[in-house]
Amino acid sequence: SQQGEEDPQALSIQEGENATMNCSYKTSINNLQWYRQNSGRGLVHLILIRSNEREKHSGRLRVTLDTSKKSSSLLITASRAADTASYFCATALGGYQKVTFGTGTKLQVIP
Amino acid sequence: GAVVSQHPSRVICKSGTSVKIECRSLDFQATTMFWYRQFPKQSLMLMATSNEGSKATYEQGVEKDKFLINHASLTLSTLTVTSAHPEDSSFYICSAAGQGALGNTIYFGEGSWLTVV
Repeated sequence: SQQGEEDPQALSIQEGENATMNCSYKTSINNLQWYRQNSGRGLVHLILIRSNEREKHSGRLRVTLDTSKKSSSLLITASRAADTASYFCATALGGYQKVTFGTGTKLQVIP
Repeated sequence: GAVVSQHPSRVICKSGTSVKIECRSLDFQATTMFWYRQFPKQSLMLMATSNEGSKATYEQGVEKDKFLINHASLTLSTLTVTSAHPEDSSFYICSAAGQGALGNTIYFGEGSWLTVV
């Protein structure tokens, strides 16, 4: 079963706009990660936020984590057509980094 | 940085045959690797945890006799789909934990497309 659920399932925006994706999860976690997947390809790790962190930035990416609500958000600022992909949140439990994925958000950035 | 390599990237096999997919950690040792399956337009489902030198741990609902996992060395795990059927056609991805710029991070392979005809 999925640990997390992403919202929205699909998002279509114009280039230059910001894109926000949300993720909710069910159990306590050590960390939460966001990944990107281009159609038919493998996963690219975007950012990891630990359970004791509330916000993290990486380039045009901003991730927040609210452990009390068991939720996280990924903000992509000034989106580009190349950002078109599926985005997954993933949570890790335990010391072996067993990662389980959310349902994903399919982002389309229109040039 | 750490890289995980999967091979083959695409494979077509006949129904009833077996097919092996390899997952290698290229510049780090991985005592634990993970195998995922992804159906079209869906998320990744964890199939099993591959442990070097011991038996794999399978998730509920995954047939261990169907999906054989061998983690014979610290850099190689293999997934063998036995007696493949068309419903086994899917995208299979492996991952391994390694030390990267962000500390202990999971690295994913590029995935393997399996088509059973």
